[in-house]
Amino acid sequence: GDSVTQMEGPVTLSEEAFLTINCTYTATGYPSLFWYVQYPGEGLQLLLKATKADDKGSNKGFEATYRKETTSFHLEKGSVQVSDSAVYFCALSGPLEELVFGKGTKLTVNP
Amino acid sequence: DAGVTQSPTHLIKTRGQHVTLRCSPISGHKSVSWYQQVLGQGPQFIFQYYEKEERGRGNFPDRFSARQFPNYSSELNVNALLLGDSALYLCASSSLTSGNRGTQYFGPGTRLTVL
Repeated sequence: GDSVTQMEGPVTLSEEAFLTINCTYTATGYPSLFWYVQYPGEGLQLLLKATKADDKGSNKGFEATYRKETTSFHLEKGSVQVSDSAVYFCALSGPLEELVFGKGTKLTVNP
Repeated sequence: DAGVTQSPTHLIKTRGQHVTLRCSPISGHKSVSWYQQVLGQGPQFIFQYYEKEERGRGNFPDRFSARQFPNYSSELNVNALLLGDSALYLCASSSLTSGNRGTQYFGPGTRLTVL
């Protein structure tokens, strides 16, 4: 079945550091790909998405590019802030358009 | 516009009891999905409803059931609660229009604790 693999956390960075969170997927067909963010005690917020190969999703300084050849959708940000501390989930849309999530990567940004 | 709303926020039950969780989607969205998020894990798909019909079901036992009402709100029911049902239950709504296929917007969740 469809699946998503994220890099294991936790990830700890200093403010203004560069962030990469790796995500690879296995799917039949060509799913849409998503990054969601979850702040402590809250639900999930859609961060960005891409619906076809070579699409780049971007929001709030975060970017991810849909790479069909490497089945990847890595999340990047050039300069993280303390307020970016959260858990980040990579996800794909399954055959019923249900979301299939990775296990999540906890990011802590220190001042 | 209001986002996805869920009630209650928190719930404590004992083993063997029954629970009902409620969700109201974003105005104009006709599809509601339910997910279970166990602590430290990613959300797992339970059900998807569209226009009051079950459209999909994840790998969950028959103790889990759901329904969608004419106003597109939804209920998730869990019978004979087990300790392992303790989790954050998330509701998500989507429009399923061609430009937004697969995009789901989540509510704040209901934290269920089974003692």
